[in-house]
Amino acid sequence: EIVLTQSPGTLSLSPGERATVSCRTSQSVSSRYLAWYQHKVGQPPRLLIYGASTRATGIPDRFRGSGSGTDFTLTITRLEPEDFAVYFCQHHGSSPPYTFGQGTKLEI
Amino acid sequence: QVHLVQSGAEVKKPGASVRISCKASGYIFTGYNIYWVRQAPGQGLEWMGWINPNSGTTSYAQKFQGRVSMTRDTSTSTAFMELSWLTSDDTAIYYCAKLRFLEFDSWGQGTLVTVSS
Repeated sequence: EIVLTQSPGTLSLSPGERATVSCRTSQSVSSRYLAWYQHKVGQPPRLLIYGASTRATGIPDRFRGSGSGTDFTLTITRLEPEDFAVYFCQHHGSSPPYTFGQGTKLEI
Repeated sequence: QVHLVQSGAEVKKPGASVRISCKASGYIFTGYNIYWVRQAPGQGLEWMGWINPNSGTTSYAQKFQGRVSMTRDTSTSTAFMELSWLTSDDTAIYYCAKLRFLEFDSWGQGTLVTVSS
């Protein structure tokens, strides 16, 4: 099983600042299998990035994904008030189990 | 527009079963696998299994083998997840999600299941 470890657990920033969330996998994975989601309380998760770096439909360009191998990063270049939420990475390999990071809470 | 609409919150006693529905619209239901994922209070997301709505083929996480059943009704574009022998550890929000290629591009709104005596 591939374990996804996110850091930090909580990120305290202000609107306009830059946020960087890390997702480290327990073994090297193909970038095509790595996705990022935003999750707000009371709402379903929302796909942000797939294939490690491709923005999903309708996602603003301030959201950027990067990385390869075992180290992946989600960057939000200029935080907007609506960006404060939980972010998690996900790996969907060729066989189960399909795992998620434990989440990073982005708070004001 | 793709929508996944889940059934409402449930309260169950330990040892009981729960069945959650997930009605899909806005796309070809049989064209994409439906996954079930849950999130217990204060915990991360946990994959439970998936169903291929076209063939009915399922795959379950080892943790839930023997206790979970995923089915579908293609006439109503609805997927179902039944979990039996509930314990307090099964208290969680349960989500269905549509897998596009290797990512979940649409999620249901979530169903809260509370297991309490």
